[in-house]
Amino acid sequence: GAVVSQHPSWVICKSGTSVKIECRSLDFQATTMFWYRQFPKQSLMLMATSNEGSKATYEQGVEKDKFLINHASLTLSTLTVTSAHPEDSSFYICSAAPGTGQPQHFGDGTRLSIL
Amino acid sequence: ELKVEQNPLFLSMQEGKNYTIYCNYSTTSDRLYWYRQDPGKSLESLFVLLSNGAVKQEGRLMASLDTKARLSTLHITAAVHDLSATYFCAVDLTGTSYGKLTFGQGTILTVHP
Repeated sequence: GAVVSQHPSWVICKSGTSVKIECRSLDFQATTMFWYRQFPKQSLMLMATSNEGSKATYEQGVEKDKFLINHASLTLSTLTVTSAHPEDSSFYICSAAPGTGQPQHFGDGTRLSIL
Repeated sequence: ELKVEQNPLFLSMQEGKNYTIYCNYSTTSDRLYWYRQDPGKSLESLFVLLSNGAVKQEGRLMASLDTKARLSTLHITAAVHDLSATYFCAVDLTGTSYGKLTFGQGTILTVHP
């Protein structure tokens, strides 16, 4: 079945550091991928839509200069949290689907902790 | 703005009992998904409902969709401990890209002996 891989699974770093998270579709191509954020005991909130070969589309309230998204190939999207601060600590999850109308497959998530 | 609301948010069940989780959404959509999340884990796809009247079943779980009422249900039959998890419904807003999901708050299900 369709597999989405996310790396790393867990990051702990100091405040002010930039952190890059990778999302790969392993057995299908994805022109569109999605990035979500989940705070403890809360639901998932869509942050942005990652579009292969073009700029990402950010949801209202998400700082595009803070959360840089690059979708350079049909199997890879990256999310870079720039100058991370403790309030950026969260569970970040990406998703992609192998085709229109098919369910999104989610990566395993990246738990980001900023000290 | 699309809003998705689940009810109940917390559900404690005895093994062997039946119960239903409800998912209401505020705007026209005919694409609804159910996901399961275990603690510390990502999401696992359970059901995809793409038309009015759609009903799908897998094991002890059955999901249905009524697009006119903007309501989906997830019915649990004869619950077992392994079903303990958080369940999310999510909706694609009609006319937008597939996959741009709005999630419900989640229902934390605990099944106990």
